[in-house]
Amino acid sequence: GIQVEQSPPDLILQEGANSTLRCNFSDSVNNLQWFHQNPWGQLINLFYIPSGTKQNGRLSATTVATERYSLLYISSSQTTDSGVYFCAVRSSGGYQKVTFGTGTKLQVIP
Amino acid sequence: ETGVTQTPRHLVMGMTNKKSLKCEQHLGHNAMYWYKQSAKKPLELMFVYSLEERVENNSVPSRFSPECPNSSHLFLHLHTLQPEDSALYLCASSQAYSGPSPRTQYFGPGTRLLVL
Repeated sequence: GIQVEQSPPDLILQEGANSTLRCNFSDSVNNLQWFHQNPWGQLINLFYIPSGTKQNGRLSATTVATERYSLLYISSSQTTDSGVYFCAVRSSGGYQKVTFGTGTKLQVIP
Repeated sequence: ETGVTQTPRHLVMGMTNKKSLKCEQHLGHNAMYWYKQSAKKPLELMFVYSLEERVENNSVPSRFSPECPNSSHLFLHLHTLQPEDSALYLCASSQAYSGPSPRTQYFGPGTRLLVL
């Protein structure tokens, strides 16, 4: 099956700093989403981005499908950004199967 | 309000108990999913229902039994669980897959399960 790897696995940022999270996948995909899981375990949908670039406030994401990676940018980080960030992909041709990456655990310190 | 609700939010059960997790979506979707998230592991897809028909079962032990009575409700029936089944169980919903157009999944808050 498709492999999804995220980097870095752990990240500690000072409040106000910027960061880039990466998601690599091993096969072509027709669906890619970024999620934020807060410390209480709730998954929040950030972006649906199978290709191109999107921005939402301090967050933006870019997916280069032909090169099989996606990036999530966090600017001016805040303590509320802490948690785990997952990317999830659905491989082309796969009916409903979604594969999650291993996640990046982010801690933003004041 | 995410549009997907799950109850209970927390559950502690013994290995001989029988319990059920409930998921309800208010988004007009017609596909629903159960995921398991164990500590320090990525989310694992357990079951998928599309148009109330189970379309995927990822080698989940038979002590987990899903039920989808209609497109808005999804249950996960639990019996004779093991301590290693302790995890966060997440429900999600989307529009059913219908070709190349992808569908965004929306998640509920999860049920944190502890098996003693």
